[in-house]
Amino acid sequence: SQTIHQWPATLVQPVGSPLSLECTVEGTSNPNLYWYRQAAGRGLQLLFYSVGIGQISSEVPQNLSASRPQDRQFILSSKKLLLSDSGFYLCAWTPSTREQYFGPGTRLTVT
Amino acid sequence: GENVEQHPSTLSVQEGDSAVIKCTYSDSASNYFPWYKQELGKRPQLIIDIRSNVGEKKDQRIAVTLNKTAKHFSLHITETQPEDSAVYFCAASRGTGNQFYFGTGTSLTVIP
Repeated sequence: SQTIHQWPATLVQPVGSPLSLECTVEGTSNPNLYWYRQAAGRGLQLLFYSVGIGQISSEVPQNLSASRPQDRQFILSSKKLLLSDSGFYLCAWTPSTREQYFGPGTRLTVT
Repeated sequence: GENVEQHPSTLSVQEGDSAVIKCTYSDSASNYFPWYKQELGKRPQLIIDIRSNVGEKKDQRIAVTLNKTAKHFSLHITETQPEDSAVYFCAASRGTGNQFYFGTGTSLTVIP
């Protein structure tokens, strides 16, 4: 069966520090991968999505970037965090049958 | 691009009553419409979905209806229970390889 992992689960970082969040999917190949951010009490904001290795589409201009170095690995990065980057970061994947499944999320607090 | 609107933003019902959440979409090419339930502090979980070739789908106490002509779809929860309390999100997608567009969420509270 397929499984999606995210780490870390929680993170507290100071303003201006770098960020690296990792997402991996097991049990499938060539999944579509997505990064979402959810501010407290708010909806899901799509940040990036990828249909293959090295293929990244950005939905919102941010100080964030994404990379897909391997088929089942998706990384979200920032060189300098802002206070507004705080939130719940969710990775998601879509198999060929089109359903989208979310990872457990990373709760980021920028102080 | 696609625009998904969701109403109401909050909904309170008595235990045992029905709850209905409605979404509209703008892109006639959208053909897949999932619904997610998100409990506090947890990830959204897919609870039911519908594809554009059917008008209704039911799974126990939950059902989804789709009106392609009017571009709207709805989630129906019958015999609500306290554990149904959560935030519900609708979404629309054109299919594999395309992004998902989410509604802004409905916070459902079931009062015991």
